[in-house]
Amino acid sequence: EPEVTQTPSHQVTQMGQEVILRCVPISNHLYFYWYRQILGQKVEFLVSFYNNEISEKSEIFDDQFSVERPDGSNFTLKIRSTKLEDSAMYFCASREGVNEKLFFGSGTQLSVL
Amino acid sequence: LAKTTQPISMDSYEGQEVNITCSHNNIATNDYITWYQQFPSQGPRFIIQGYKTKVTNEVASLFIPADRKSSTLSLPRVSLSDTAVYYCLVGDPSRSWGKLQFGAGTQVVVTP
Repeated sequence: EPEVTQTPSHQVTQMGQEVILRCVPISNHLYFYWYRQILGQKVEFLVSFYNNEISEKSEIFDDQFSVERPDGSNFTLKIRSTKLEDSAMYFCASREGVNEKLFFGSGTQLSVL
Repeated sequence: LAKTTQPISMDSYEGQEVNITCSHNNIATNDYITWYQQFPSQGPRFIIQGYKTKVTNEVASLFIPADRKSSTLSLPRVSLSDTAVYYCLVGDPSRSWGKLQFGAGTQVVVTP
């Protein structure tokens, strides 16, 4: 089965630093997403991206967050100035079409110290 | 998006059938019911999706009664590797699939 690939699997950073989480969605997919899951809590939607622009974002996705698809394969999530509360597992997901199922990556565990 | 209610946890033994029921009283006409599975430190994985009656694939079956106010995910003959959190999600695929609203899910623990 095709996979969504995320790197790195773990990222440790100091509060206030910028981090970029990277994802390679499945090649023929057109819709891209970021979710996060704080330890012991629910999986939360952050943002959806289609046709090179954000289609929807949650309240969590404030000005400190940005997404980019710099080329035909990568999809990145940038947190400009990390906070302690940004510590979570971040999942990238993609789907081929509007009615298709979501494929999730294995996640990047972000730890902000 | 329709609110869903499912048990917090369920325990089972290997080889048994596990049935997880999800309530979604305010399901809308265009809403589908989808179940995802999540192992620790992994992303959710699609299991099955249905609109009404019964859907079966190689992994599970999904039973949806005529009023569609609930649904039951059935995992036949579970093994230890089926220990995971199972999420029931209800929404219109053409509008909400990108914004999946995960609840707390049901923690299924399978023991020998």
